[in-house]
Amino acid sequence: DGGITQSPKYLFRKEGQNVTLSCEQNLNHDAMYWYRQDPGQGLRLIYYSQIVNDFQKGDIAEGYSVSREKKESFPLTVTSAQKNPTAFYLCASRHGTSPEAFFGQGTRLTVV
Amino acid sequence: RKEVEQDPGPFNVPEGATVAFNCTYSNSASQSFFWYRQDCRKEPKLLMSVYSSGNEDGRFTAQLNRASQYISLLIRDSKLSDSATYLCVVNLYKLSFGAGTTVTVRA
Repeated sequence: DGGITQSPKYLFRKEGQNVTLSCEQNLNHDAMYWYRQDPGQGLRLIYYSQIVNDFQKGDIAEGYSVSREKKESFPLTVTSAQKNPTAFYLCASRHGTSPEAFFGQGTRLTVV
Repeated sequence: RKEVEQDPGPFNVPEGATVAFNCTYSNSASQSFFWYRQDCRKEPKLLMSVYSSGNEDGRFTAQLNRASQYISLLIRDSKLSDSATYLCVVNLYKLSFGAGTTVTVRA
C-alpha cells in the first residue's frame, strides 16, 4: 500500500540531545513538508522540500535541520538549539500538481 | 497578521443542526483553498477543496469570497461523527494552515 510513514510514534528526549524524526513516503511525491502542531496553534511549517537535494526554511526553522538525499525520505533533526521542542510533529507529501497533502500519523516528541 | 485565521470555536451543536464557520486569509495572491479535518491526536485529512463558484460534497458546502478574502464551511444535518477540528488551508507556493475550528456534535 502506498503511503507516508513517520517513526517513531512517541519519542522522549533529554534536554541537550539531538533527535531525528523519520519520514518516508512511497507515493512518488516530489514535495515533502514538516509541520509542528502545538495545542490551539494549528500547524506551523518548519521546512519543506520541492525536489531532491533542495529544501527551504519554513516559518519556524530555528533549531531544526533536514536533509533530502532521496525522494522517498525527508528526516527532521530537532537540535539542542530548539528551546521548546515538545510538540506533535507531522510530515506531509504531495504531488507537484496536486493540491492534496497526505500526512503521516505524526510523532509526539516530549522533552524530559 | 497571520496568513490564515479561523474562529477557534468550539461550536457545540445538537445532532441534525446546521453549523457554519469562516476562515480569512491575508495574501490576495493565494491560489487554492481547502478544508481539512483533524480528529483528536490524529493527522489531518483532506475534507474538500474550495472552488470559486462554491461546491458541495454531501452535507458539506464550501464557499470562497476572493473580494473579502474568506472561505466558509457549512455542515448540514450534523452527525456525531462530524465532531472534529476543521482546518482551513490556503495554498500559494506552500500550504498555510489555520489553527482550526473545533466542532462538537452532541446527541
